[in-house]
Parts: sequence; C-alpha cells; structure tokens
Amino acid sequence: NAGVTQTPKFQVLKTGQSMTLQCAQDMNHNSMYWYRQDPGMGLRLIYYSASEGTTDKGEVPNGYNVSRLNKREFSLRLESAAPSQTSVYFCASSGGGTDTQYFGPGTRLTVL
Amino acid sequence: QKEVEQDPGPLSVPEGAIVSLNCTYSNSAFQYFMWYRQYSRKGPELLMYTYSSGNKEDGRFTAQVDKSSKYISLFIRDSQPSDSATYLCAMIDSNYQLIWGAGTKLIIKP
Repeated sequence: NAGVTQTPKFQVLKTGQSMTLQCAQDMNHNSMYWYRQDPGMGLRLIYYSASEGTTDKGEVPNGYNVSRLNKREFSLRLESAAPSQTSVYFCASSGGGTDTQYFGPGTRLTVL
Repeated sequence: QKEVEQDPGPLSVPEGAIVSLNCTYSNSAFQYFMWYRQYSRKGPELLMYTYSSGNKEDGRFTAQVDKSSKYISLFIRDSQPSDSATYLCAMIDSNYQLIWGAGTKLIIKP
C-alpha cells in the first residue's frame, strides 16, 4: 500500500499562474482533506470531502478550488497564484468521523 | 485567542531525558485528542490517540488528558535522537474536523 500520494513534490510559480495539486489514496477511505502548513501556524484546513461527490470549505478556502474526481482522488487547484499561497500543502484521508487522518508527503509551493 | 495553544519551542534536551510536551485548549466539548509526529520535510503521522480523560501508554510514549484543566500532555521516556521532530497536538471538533496546535519542535542531543 502506498497510502496517500501527492504530486508534484515541489513547484515554483509566478504570480497569476495556475496549477493543480494531485492527491490519491489507496486505503478505500471515504474522506479526504487538503491542508496548508505555514511556520508557526500549524495545519489549516483548506477544503475537505466527506464522501465521494461532496466537497466543503474549511478554514482558509479563498483562492482555491477542489475536485473529488472519484473515491481515490482529490485535487486542489490554484486558479491565479499569489505570493500569500507560498506554503507546504498536505493531503490527508480517513474513514470519516473520528477516524485517524493519514497524510501524504506534501507539496512545497513557492509563488514568486 | 486560538482554540488550541502549543509552545513552538524549540525544546532541546539530552539523550535519555524524559520529555514533556503540552497543549491547552479552550473548548470543553473536545473529547478526542491526538498527537502527531512530523519529521522534517515529511507529512504528519499519528503517534497517540486518546478519548476523554486519562492516560494511554505505548512503549516509551504516554499521552495524558486532563479535561478538567483543558490540558493534554505527551511524555517521552528515554528520549533518543530519532525522536527529534515536531510534535503536533490535535483535537476533533463537533464537525469532525481536526483543530491543530502550532507544533513543538523537539531536539534530542546525543
């Protein structure tokens, strides 16, 4: 089992460019999450999908969109990147409810 | 005021020492408490998961929850250099979302 995988590992964008971060899990989990992690801020939830076909905003959704492509895959899109979106992005999955969340290795994004 | 407060450190201790990491929280409704460990440039991984008050032990690690004081702790006995990492506390809210502390960076000196 690969667990949760994310692509790409690193990315540098210029302000205004767009990109999509990909996430896939092979644990047959219902719920998937996108977080960003900034120094001193801990993890902040951007969007989540409680089950296939549903998505909901988290704490910091502005500037992002998501797609739950199927049960395995959950993508995060930046339509017009801004320097404030420079961060490390983590995808996670869980069985839902109070189940443990399992994290991917992260994508380090720099927006110039 | 943040819902979960955690000292960011860094906390530097000699190998073999007992380490105490702590978080305080404001929402008395929290009932599920977690500690995640995050190595540099890696994703967080679950270390301990406890429900309500009390202690839970797993090898060299002990998680303690004091709901009356809204305070949780993680103790590491016989600390090793491989324990050097950032430790994040997290709690589940009423919407089943994780509320995170900022993380404490721990350094174990050989």
